[in-house]
Amino acid sequence: SQTIHQWPATLVQPVGSPLSLECTVEGTSNPNLYWYRQAAGRGLQLLFYSVGIGQISSEVPQNLSASRPQDRQFILSSKKLLLSDSGFYLCAWIRQDEQYFGPGTRLTVT
Amino acid sequence: ILNVEQSPQSLHVQEGDSTNFTCSFPSSNFYALHWYRWETAKSPEALFVMTLNGDEKKKGRISATLNTKEGYSYLYIKGSQPEDSATYLCAFRTNAGKSTFGDGTTLTVKP
Repeated sequence: SQTIHQWPATLVQPVGSPLSLECTVEGTSNPNLYWYRQAAGRGLQLLFYSVGIGQISSEVPQNLSASRPQDRQFILSSKKLLLSDSGFYLCAWIRQDEQYFGPGTRLTVT
Repeated sequence: ILNVEQSPQSLHVQEGDSTNFTCSFPSSNFYALHWYRWETAKSPEALFVMTLNGDEKKKGRISATLNTKEGYSYLYIKGSQPEDSATYLCAFRTNAGKSTFGDGTTLTVKP
């Protein structure tokens, strides 16, 4: 079976601090991986997607970055968080026609 | 930027009513259209994935149709129940792997 992990589940960080959110996938190889964010009162915004190791497509210009150091690992980072980075972050992957989501990380920037 | 639009933004119906909402997407580079049921701050729950023009899918009281030539999909709920209350998201996936969501339609079913 396929499983997708995200951590941490919740995070409170001060403005200006760095960020690292990790997503790993089990039970598959070479998946398409995605980072989404739900900001308060809004839908899911695509931040980054990756079709392979080292291949990152950025959808929204901002102070976030993503990396894919291994086939089943996708990392979302920031050097300096902004208040507007607060939200619910979801990692997802696609296997064949199905898109699966991780449990999400609730980030609060104070 | 791909425009995936959902309408209406919100919908309030009485228990037992049938309802439907729309997802509009680009008609080029189409690979698949996904529908999800979503409660805020949780992972979306997959309802349907549709890939062929003219597809119709059904799961219980919920069904969906797809028109890739004109770029729209409809989601129907027959005999709405309070437990159907949620946000319904569609996601448009291109043949390059990009998957973009609409902002969703929030359905509230009153008992």
